Amino acid sequence: GENVEQHPSTLSVQEGDSAVIKCTYSDSASNYFPWYKQELGKGPQLIIDIRSNVGEKKDQRIAVTLNKTAKHFSLHITETQPEDSAVYFCAASKGSYIPTFGRGTSLIVHP
Amino acid sequence: GAGVSQSPSNKVTEKGKDVELRCDPISGHTALYWYRQSLGQGLEFLIYFQGNSAPDKSGLPSDRFSAERTGGSVSTLTIQRTQQEDSAVYLCASRGGRGSGEQYFGPGTRLTVT
Repeated sequence: GENVEQHPSTLSVQEGDSAVIKCTYSDSASNYFPWYKQELGKGPQLIIDIRSNVGEKKDQRIAVTLNKTAKHFSLHITETQPEDSAVYFCAASKGSYIPTFGRGTSLIVHP
Repeated sequence: GAGVSQSPSNKVTEKGKDVELRCDPISGHTALYWYRQSLGQGLEFLIYFQGNSAPDKSGLPSDRFSAERTGGSVSTLTIQRTQQEDSAVYLCASRGGRGSGEQYFGPGTRLTVT
């Protein structure tokens, strides 16, 4: 089955810096890669996703890049703000069905 | 509109007791997932319902775990003879049609087995 590795497990940055979280996957048939943000006491919420037919997608301060050959994808957050502090999960799936999640990255943005 | 709701938000039970966790998905969503999240861990897939198809139960960790989805809407996850290792947050998510990838998560039920 699919295996998703996520790094780092913890990331501490100063407000205004950029943050990058990286994930690798094992199943070359995976074609859908969402990123979720989970705030304390809440369920995860989708922040951005990418499909395998594109290499990059941006939405304001967040972007995701995908390298199908190397089987890795990354989340980039620019101009970080304290409200970006949360746990971020990457995931990979074939179609929209059952995603395999990474173990999460705890992002801490210091004011 | 209303999102995914789960009840109870917290449940404390004694080892050996049965528990039922409820999920109300977004109206009209055909897919429903249950996940387990242990402290500091990722999301462990448990079971997946899609429309009227047979559920994918491949993630259930033992036969003490079962789930139903009645009328294509509300779902109940049942854990029989609870063990301390069952303590975790149980998350439910729903998704729209097959072309839609986004899952909408509920706030979760925190289960503590003493």
